Amino acid sequence: AQKVTQAQTEISVVEKEDVTLDCVYETRDTTYYLFWYKQPPSGELVFLIRRNSFDEQNEISGRYSWNFQKSTSSFNFTITASQVVDSAVYFCALTEGGSTLGRLYFGRGTQLTVWP
Amino acid sequence: DTEVTQTPKHLVMGMTNKKSLKCEQHMGHRAMYWYKQKAKKPPELMFVYSYEKLSINESVPSRFSPECPNSSLLNLHLHALQPEDSALYLCASSQGGFSDSAFDTQYFGPGTRLTVL
Repeated sequence: AQKVTQAQTEISVVEKEDVTLDCVYETRDTTYYLFWYKQPPSGELVFLIRRNSFDEQNEISGRYSWNFQKSTSSFNFTITASQVVDSAVYFCALTEGGSTLGRLYFGRGTQLTVWP
Repeated sequence: DTEVTQTPKHLVMGMTNKKSLKCEQHMGHRAMYWYKQKAKKPPELMFVYSYEKLSINESVPSRFSPECPNSSLLNLHLHALQPEDSALYLCASSQGGFSDSAFDTQYFGPGTRLTVL
């Protein structure tokens, strides 16, 4: 079973629109971490955020915000006033306890295209 | 500084060639990773090194041979590859070394785009 589901394969918006990328996860562990990475066309995965399972506070960083809801097992990512430079593939990922090294479970990614 | 560097950026090789990919980090991280990523797919874990020792091999074919000469360097030796091995190869590192290392953030390099002819 997929541990991380990103149901939106592709999203297209016009600049300045707000856009939300959905992420739903599945785990039996009580301690886990969730991540978002951005992968622009150049290929590098850029780390955006890490959130642990005990911290449900929403987080805002500039135009980016994250909404973590354990009740729905979701960790959604919103970009406010999107820009062309936000065009990229965005991956949500999960790591669980029980190992000494993190095994990152990635979702399939959401391709975001922002048109000028 | 959260920089992981990878060389070369692009590599084209024949099926009989031997080549190597190189990854370097100077963040003092003790865990390093190789991932393979095909187009429109998420990265797939290949190998994990912890304190310069191989700790995870995800049943990768022997034509891929990893090496960790020291804590800052990670190599991936390639030999007799197949066209289906063409992909983006990503290196990552994380702090490692502690009881909660499972949760460390992995920082990725820019990748090497490999084409096997």
